[in-house]
Amino acid sequence: SQKIEQNSEALNIQEGKTATLTCNYTNYSPAYLQWYRQDPGRGPVFLLLIRENEKEKRKERLKVTFDTTLKQSLFHITASQPADSATYLCAPRGGYNKLIFGAGTRLAVHP
Amino acid sequence: DVKVTQSSRYLVKRTGEKVFLECVQDMDHENMFWYRQDPGLGLRLIYFSYDVKMKEKGDIPEGYSVSREKKERFSLILESASTNQTSMYLCASGSNRDRDSYEQYFGPGTRLTVT
Repeated sequence: SQKIEQNSEALNIQEGKTATLTCNYTNYSPAYLQWYRQDPGRGPVFLLLIRENEKEKRKERLKVTFDTTLKQSLFHITASQPADSATYLCAPRGGYNKLIFGAGTRLAVHP
Repeated sequence: DVKVTQSSRYLVKRTGEKVFLECVQDMDHENMFWYRQDPGLGLRLIYFSYDVKMKEKGDIPEGYSVSREKKERFSLILESASTNQTSMYLCASGSNRDRDSYEQYFGPGTRLTVT
């Protein structure tokens, strides 16, 4: 069955550093992959989409890569700020109109 | 701005009760989704709908049903609530017309406790 893996342990980094989060998927080949941000007690908010034919996508301080050979996406936040502290969810396309969400990685950026 | 609203933020129900969770979106989206979110398990798709009166089972439909009588409204029904249905329930909507992102817009969630 389709499986999404994200680091279950929280990632703690210092303000100003680059945060890198990993998403691995198995048993299928998604046409695209999305990343969402979720704050405590709130619904996820869309950040970026990257398609299978794109190696890299950038949006302001965010960068996403998509390696279809390794079946892996990396999500980077450069010059991180305490306001970036949240849980980040990886969501590859799981079929027509569907996403499959990972459990998320919690990021804590310390001043 | 897209807005997805859910009928309640917090709900406490007793075992065996019938529970209705309602979701309304204001962006004319054809697709609507119901997820539940539990610690360590991420968001799991219960049901989705791609048109009025259409519904498709997600990964965990057992114990749930849905209704979509109008395009903007998607209801999740727990026919007989059980304690293992205690969870955060999230509704989302999206459109296939949004080919740049296929973004799903989420509501604030309903934390349901079944006692």
